[in-house]
Amino acid sequence: AQSVTQLGSHVSVSEGALVLLRCNYSSSVPPYLFWYVQYPNQGLQLLLKYTSAATLVKGINGFEAEFKKSETSFHLTKPSAHMSDAAEYFCAVSAPTNAGKSTFGDGTTLTVKP
Amino acid sequence: DAMVIQNPRYQVTQFGKPVTLSCSQTLNHNVMYWYQQKSSQAPKLLFHYYDKDFNNEADTPDNFQSRRPNTSFCFLDIRSPGLGDAAMYLCATSRDRISGVNNEQFFGPGTRLTVL
Repeated sequence: AQSVTQLGSHVSVSEGALVLLRCNYSSSVPPYLFWYVQYPNQGLQLLLKYTSAATLVKGINGFEAEFKKSETSFHLTKPSAHMSDAAEYFCAVSAPTNAGKSTFGDGTTLTVKP
Repeated sequence: DAMVIQNPRYQVTQFGKPVTLSCSQTLNHNVMYWYQQKSSQAPKLLFHYYDKDFNNEADTPDNFQSRRPNTSFCFLDIRSPGLGDAAMYLCATSRDRISGVNNEQFFGPGTRLTVL
């Protein structure tokens, strides 16, 4: 079985401040982890993915995430928030033993204040 | 550009009137997924096709059906929409489902369904 918990359904930061969105996972086998972003009335776009290579993963738009097995975490960060980062962010986990299906977290809404 | 296309982007139907949502892909991926996403919630997987092999989620209501006539197209049929079926419906594809490396999902823009 696999699951994802995103801590904090809403996160608000000031423009230029650090962005930290938290994700903890549970998986009975080594997981593959993803972060997706969703803008209003649009589909999900992949930000980055962890597939058992480097534990620090760099993605698009200046985002990165670090896989920490000991903490079962895959938190998303960005050093300096931009107004255009305001969106919904979803963490997802998948495993080869689950027919590759992804399980999504409930999402975190990021608000960026000017 | 290779992509996932959903038509229409917005669909309005009446309570109980069948509706079909369309998804097409130019990625030549083996797997196509249909998700239901309600406001401020995570996408919920309804079913997926691995090539022609249909895989229904255990909790997907019988009211929801799907067809995949060929690799490129997949349809979501809602036989008798209820008010609770109003949602965003997302189509996604992935190259494969066996290897996690290849099951990165590519999403379409979604169809927002309104039921009157």
